Amino acid sequence: ELKVEQNPLFLSMQEGKNYTIYCNYSTTSDRLYWYRQDPGKSLESLFVLLSNGAVKQEGRLMASLDTKARLSTLHITAAVHDLSATYFCAVAAGGSQGNLIFGKGTKLSVKP
Amino acid sequence: DTGVSQDPRHKITKRGQNVTFRCDPISEHNRLYWYRQTLGQGPEFLTYFQNEAQLEKSRLLSDRFSAERPKGSFSTLEIQRTEQGDSAMYLCASSVPNSPLHFGNGTRLTVT
Repeated sequence: ELKVEQNPLFLSMQEGKNYTIYCNYSTTSDRLYWYRQDPGKSLESLFVLLSNGAVKQEGRLMASLDTKARLSTLHITAAVHDLSATYFCAVAAGGSQGNLIFGKGTKLSVKP
Repeated sequence: DTGVSQDPRHKITKRGQNVTFRCDPISEHNRLYWYRQTLGQGPEFLTYFQNEAQLEKSRLLSDRFSAERPKGSFSTLEIQRTEQGDSAMYLCASSVPNSPLHFGNGTRLTVT
């Protein structure tokens, strides 16, 4: 059974600092997603990672995937308050086209 | 692209009552998904459709839950004989194959 673990679950950062969120998963998968959720809102897609070594960047966020280590990272560069949200990684369950297994999320708070 | 629409936004019901939620996907998306999210957790897969066919259903899904997508457009999720443990945010999402899921704003169910 596929398990997805994120850490840390809570992260308080100062503006301008860098940090990395980790997402480990337990079995092989061909797709990994990162989503953002603001309080009371739905989930917004950030990145889709499809192959080993894939790296995608959007603004201050960069995501990477190491399928051999079953690890994805979401790196935050020079954090700003607007990045405060909960970030989820999700991995496609083996053989499934629709079943994404989500981590518990990392609640990020960026303080001035 | 008007986004995924869910109705109602909130539903309060008494234990034992039946409830039905509606989801209208993005019009060109042939895949539709239902997830459930409780406080502090990531979304949990319930079921998904490709066009009108229900292709996968969570093993954890009680027989009290049923979903339909009769014409391959909108979908309904019905919960019969609701229990307090059913209280959650019910999220609908849609996509085309192998692309990120686009989530709606959800229906928050409270069972009293």
